[in-house]
Amino acid sequence: NAGVTQTPKFQVLKTGQSMTLQCAQDMNHEYMSWYRQDPGMGLRLIHYSVGAGITDQGEVPNGYNVSRSTTEDFPLRLLSAAPSQTSVYFCASSPGTGGYRVEKLFFGSGTQLSVL
Amino acid sequence: RKEVEQDPGPFNVPEGATVAFNCTYSNSASQSFFWYRQDCRKEPKLLMSVYSSGNEDGRFTAQLNRASQYISLLIRDSKLSDSATYLCVAFSSGSARQLTFGSGTQLTVLP
Repeated sequence: NAGVTQTPKFQVLKTGQSMTLQCAQDMNHEYMSWYRQDPGMGLRLIHYSVGAGITDQGEVPNGYNVSRSTTEDFPLRLLSAAPSQTSVYFCASSPGTGGYRVEKLFFGSGTQLSVL
Repeated sequence: RKEVEQDPGPFNVPEGATVAFNCTYSNSASQSFFWYRQDCRKEPKLLMSVYSSGNEDGRFTAQLNRASQYISLLIRDSKLSDSATYLCVAFSSGSARQLTFGSGTQLTVLP
C-alpha cells in the first residue's frame, strides 16, 4: 500500500514555463487536494476534488489548473510559472464521508518548486 | 486575523520536560480539530483528533475549549524524537475549504 505518491520531489523552473505535478493514491479515497506551504503562512488549499470529474477552487487557485479523470490521480498544472509560485506543494487525500466531509488527511511527500 | 493562530515558537525544552502549545480559532462553526506533526522537510502526519472536550494518547493530551475557542496540546516527558513542528487544524463542514491550518509551532527537545 503506497498511500499518496507525489512526483517530482524537486523542480526548478524558469518564469513562464509550464509543468505538471503528479499525484496518485491507491486507497480509493474520494477526496483529493493540493496545498502549498510557505514560511509563516501555513498550508493553503489550491484546488480540491470530491470525486472523479468534480473539482473546485480552494483559497489560492490562481495560476493553477487541476483535473480528476480517475479516482486515483489528481495532477496539478502550473500554466505559466511565476516566482511567487516558489513553494512546497503537498497533495493530500481523505476517505471523506459522502465525498463532502473531509477530516483526516493523508499527505504525499511534497514537491519543492523553485521558479527563477 | 488568521482563522487559526498558533504561537510559532520556537519552543526549546529539555528532555523529560512537559510542554504545552495553544491554538486559537476564529470560526465558531468549527466542528472538530486536529493536531498534525511535521518533521523538517517532510509531509504533515496526523497526531491527534479532538472532537469533544479532549483526547489523550500516551504522553499527548489535546484539550478543546469551545467557549474560549482554543485548543491545546500537552506533551509530557518530552523525547528528542518529539522535535518537530506541530500544526493545529480546524474542520468546518460549512466552509468550502473545510480544513484550515495554522502556521505551526516549532518544538526542539534538547538533550
